[in-house]
Amino acid sequence: LAKTTQPISMDSYEGQEVNITCSHNNIATNDYITWYQQFPSQGPRFIIQGYKTKVTNEVASLFIPADRKSSTLSLPRVSLSDTAVYYCLVGDIRDDKIIFGKGTRLHILP
Amino acid sequence: GAVVSQHPSRVICKSGTSVKIECRSLDFQATTMFWYRQFPKQSLMLMATSNEGSKATYEQGVEKDKFLINHASLTLSTLTVTSAHPEDSSFYICSASSYRGQGGEKLFFGSGTQLSVL
Repeated sequence: LAKTTQPISMDSYEGQEVNITCSHNNIATNDYITWYQQFPSQGPRFIIQGYKTKVTNEVASLFIPADRKSSTLSLPRVSLSDTAVYYCLVGDIRDDKIIFGKGTRLHILP
Repeated sequence: GAVVSQHPSRVICKSGTSVKIECRSLDFQATTMFWYRQFPKQSLMLMATSNEGSKATYEQGVEKDKFLINHASLTLSTLTVTSAHPEDSSFYICSASSYRGQGGEKLFFGSGTQLSVL
């Protein structure tokens, strides 16, 4: 399993675009990159997943450079309700367990 | 997305009693379910991996006789905290894999169970 490194915390303001970068230097060929969001006292929620280049859905975009050693989750025009912990996970379908890193605690200010 | 139901959401019990937590995948079959525990302001810690019809695989340091896991069907896994003590108080979360043969594996999580042992 590739180890991930993310900033411990970030602050931003409503309406801004927020980019959270995750480092995964030893990512394997078959690994996908998946981001989850967790609110207090709730289970994590799947946000987005990608393998390479760029992936976009209704919630976020995920940018993955060619070497795949990092990835950036981009949240457009954040609101107060985006205050949460964001986890970056790296692995493939053959992994028999999913290990969470420390995550990034995002705090959106009015 | 896939729905995972976890029950109860909150339980308070006396020290020495046992507590069962249920995790159900409502609209898909989950051959593999995972159980995590989480302390305040910390990340999720994997406790065990549960495969339908076989014994669970526990992470190092997790007592299998204390945290009994049963995965009797493709839609239900249970975690029983036996003889609970105050140090077992934590937020317990289950998740199920929804791999459909395309892309990477995605996990869908229950809403969690806050266990408080008095």
